[in-house]
Amino acid sequence: EDKVVQSPLSLVVHEGDTVTLNCSYEVTNFRSLLWYKQEKKAPTFLFMLTSSGIEKKSGRLSSILDKKELFSILNITATQTGDSAVYLCAVNQKTSYDKVIFGPGTSLSVIP
Amino acid sequence: NAGVTQTPKFRILKIGQSMTLQCAQDMNHNYMYWYRQDPGMGLKLIYYSVGAGITDKGEVPNGYNVSRSTTEDFPLRLELAAPSQTSVYFCASSYSLGLGTDTQYFGPGTRLTVL
Repeated sequence: EDKVVQSPLSLVVHEGDTVTLNCSYEVTNFRSLLWYKQEKKAPTFLFMLTSSGIEKKSGRLSSILDKKELFSILNITATQTGDSAVYLCAVNQKTSYDKVIFGPGTSLSVIP
Repeated sequence: NAGVTQTPKFRILKIGQSMTLQCAQDMNHNYMYWYRQDPGMGLKLIYYSVGAGITDKGEVPNGYNVSRSTTEDFPLRLELAAPSQTSVYFCASSYSLGLGTDTQYFGPGTRLTVL
């Protein structure tokens, strides 16, 4: 069965800390891996990763994919309270439609 | 662009009632999706559509129906509401398939409680 696993499921850090969120997957016909940030409402897109070893960066956030080990990490440096959210990892699967399999999410709380 | 819009934002239903969750997008996207998200869980696909007039079941379709008469609209219907359908419902859309560069854009969600 196709699945996406995230760890930890929840995390509490202090402002200024660096965090690493993990995502592993077992998905057939892999197309890409996606990271979303979900605050109180809808998920918002962060990164799409399709190739191993190429880091994507956006400000204090970065992510990398290892297609051999079926693994991705999302790093957040110098965390701020505004980073508090659920971070969803998802895998886009090659099917007849744009199928995306979501992990359960990591709930990050950044305290002052 | 308004993006993906959903109505209502909140709704409380009694067991056995019916309702329609509305979803619209103004980005001319071909693909549209309905997900449900239960507490502490990832999103589960209910139904999807690859274009007007074409819909298909996702992972958890039981108890729901959809239609896609236009490119813009993709309503989700609950016929006989059950407490197990208490959830947050997200509609999403994406432009095309197979380019490896597209992503899904999500609406703000509808929080549904069935009592």
